[in-house]
Amino acid sequence: SQELEQSPQSLIVQEGKNLTINCTSSKTLYGLYWYKQKYGEGLIFLMMLQKGGEEKSHEKITAKLDEKKQQSSLHITASQPSHAGIYLCGAVSGGSNYKLTFGKGTLLTVNP
Amino acid sequence: DAGVIQSPRHEVTEMGQEVTLRCKPISGHDYLFWYRQTMMRGLELLIYFNNNVPIDDSGMPEDRFSAKMPNASFSTLKIQPSEPRDSAVYFCASSLGYTLAFFGQGTRLTVV
Repeated sequence: SQELEQSPQSLIVQEGKNLTINCTSSKTLYGLYWYKQKYGEGLIFLMMLQKGGEEKSHEKITAKLDEKKQQSSLHITASQPSHAGIYLCGAVSGGSNYKLTFGKGTLLTVNP
Repeated sequence: DAGVIQSPRHEVTEMGQEVTLRCKPISGHDYLFWYRQTMMRGLELLIYFNNNVPIDDSGMPEDRFSAKMPNASFSTLKIQPSEPRDSAVYFCASSLGYTLAFFGQGTRLTVV
């Protein structure tokens, strides 16, 4: 099965600092999803990447998928307390069915 | 659409009791996923359905766990008998084909 490794497991930054979260797969990614979760709540979709080399941005968050489609990064510019939460990368395995699995997540704390 | 609806939001039960978690996916979605989230193991895929048919249940931890999807608008996850180590947040998600998955708010299960 597809294994997704996220790093770091947790991250504490000062408000205004930039940060990067990484997601690495043991297999080629056919679809890579980034979600954010507040403690005790459901997952909120951030971005989806499908093509090698693809990059998407929304407000201060940028996600990239490398050319080999085995690694993705999520970059936050000028972090704010509202960015705090758990960031999870999810991926779809290949084949005819849509098996969506996730990494263990990165806990982000942004100190004012 | 109201999104993916899970019930109950919180469940506290005694060890040995049967627990049933419920999920109503978004209308028209053909995939439904059940996940379990714990601090130690992160977000684990338990089972997923396509067009009401179970496709992959390799994540179901034991025979004590069972899931059904009798129709396109309803699914259940049952634990019988429940054990303290089953305490976790259980999420249901649905999607339309190979598109992003929408998550419910989760059911926080505590087995004492």
